[in-house]
Amino acid sequence: AQSVTQLGSHVSVSEGALVLLRCNYSSSVPPYLFWYVQYPNQGLQLLLKYTSAATLVKGINGFEAEFKKSETSFHLTKPSAHMSDAAEYFCAVSLNQGGKLIFGQGTELSVKP
Amino acid sequence: KAGVTQTPRYLIKTRGQQVTLSCSPISGHRSVSWYQQTPGQGLQFLFEYFSETQRNKGNFPGRFSGRQFSNSRSEMNVSTLELGDSALYLCASSLVGTGISYEQYFGPGTRLTVT
Repeated sequence: AQSVTQLGSHVSVSEGALVLLRCNYSSSVPPYLFWYVQYPNQGLQLLLKYTSAATLVKGINGFEAEFKKSETSFHLTKPSAHMSDAAEYFCAVSLNQGGKLIFGQGTELSVKP
Repeated sequence: KAGVTQTPRYLIKTRGQQVTLSCSPISGHRSVSWYQQTPGQGLQFLFEYFSETQRNKGNFPGRFSGRQFSNSRSEMNVSTLELGDSALYLCASSLVGTGISYEQYFGPGTRLTVT
């Protein structure tokens, strides 16, 4: 069975610092991987997705993620944090099971001025 | 294009009642999935509908049901509400293809409170 683990339920960085949110997956077949962001009282917004075309994926708002099969990881990074990046971030995996996403527990990102 | 819309945005119900939530997908999207979000359990998949048929189902009791109409709009119903059903219910729509997993686009959610 597939699963997703996000290391760290809460990450705090200073404005301008590197953002690194960790995601590891478990899957018996090559997965599709996604990162979503959720702002308070809102739904989820897609940041980026991995669908095997390229291991380094660029998303919106300056975020990117690298798929590493050997480490079964799909960590999300951003070179310089902005106050507006404060939100909850979710990593998700899909095995093309018809619209079923398996989510990690989420990482809340705080950005200090 | 308009995004995924969900109605109502907020609901307060009493234990034992039933509730129906509505979701309108992005135009052209034929797959609609539902998720429950709670602080304790996180985001959990409820079910997915495609072409008016339930194509996939999560591990929820039979009190949770759904349907999809010919225009791809979907509804989910929860009968005999329990306090633990209090949650944010999210709907997502996506294109459908063969051999590829398209990204899902989420609505703002319906916040259900059961008292």
